[in-house]
Amino acid sequence: EVQLVESGGGLVQPGGSLRLSCAASGFTFSSYEMNWVRQAPGKGLEWVSYIGSSGSTIYYADSVKGRFTISRDNSKNSLYLQMSSLRDEDTAVYYCARGSGTPMVDWGPGTLVTVSS
Amino acid sequence: QSALTQPPSASGSPGQSVTISCTGTSSDVGGYNYVSWYQQHPGKAPKLMIYEVSKRPSGVPDRFSGSKSGNTASLTVSGLQAEDEADYYCSSYAGSAHVVFGGGTKLTVL
Repeated sequence: EVQLVESGGGLVQPGGSLRLSCAASGFTFSSYEMNWVRQAPGKGLEWVSYIGSSGSTIYYADSVKGRFTISRDNSKNSLYLQMSSLRDEDTAVYYCARGSGTPMVDWGPGTLVTVSS
Repeated sequence: QSALTQPPSASGSPGQSVTISCTGTSSDVGGYNYVSWYQQHPGKAPKLMIYEVSKRPSGVPDRFSGSKSGNTASLTVSGLQAEDEADYYCSSYAGSAHVVFGGGTKLTVL
């Protein structure tokens, strides 16, 4: 059974940093592309970032480019999102999702990031 | 990229059919056959219901179907059931691994 479990969310002040992790199991992690998607409270889904299976291909949404860094450690079956220069509008539940992006086949339960002073 | 356009709400009675539209541009919906639909119940993660416009993942009832014409994709739910009440999001490939989502449609089963 595919399992994705995000962690690392919490309360952070504007301008601060946070690192999210996503632990994967139940599939060959190194063979799959991965994404981060976020959802602000009461709002819709927003794609954040993509990383190819080897980690060599990376893309970001314009809203986070230059502030967020996606990475993966295939030896640890883990996906990461390093977030810096956080803004109020980055407050959201962050999901990791398996797949090329279209579609994203499996999703974790999400981790809440709250940016507030 | 701008979000895809979905109606904020849709509704139908049990047993009826309802169709949710998703309008984009030639740079996303109209340019690729990579439209997906997700179902999201309150407090839960999204669940893939349709991919590549009209394909259903294993385990998704055949009451759910998808189609596309030009820059507009559609999700049809036939034989509405109470458990279908949820938020539905469309998404489309938009080039260079970028994905754009719709604003979401709240489906109410009357």
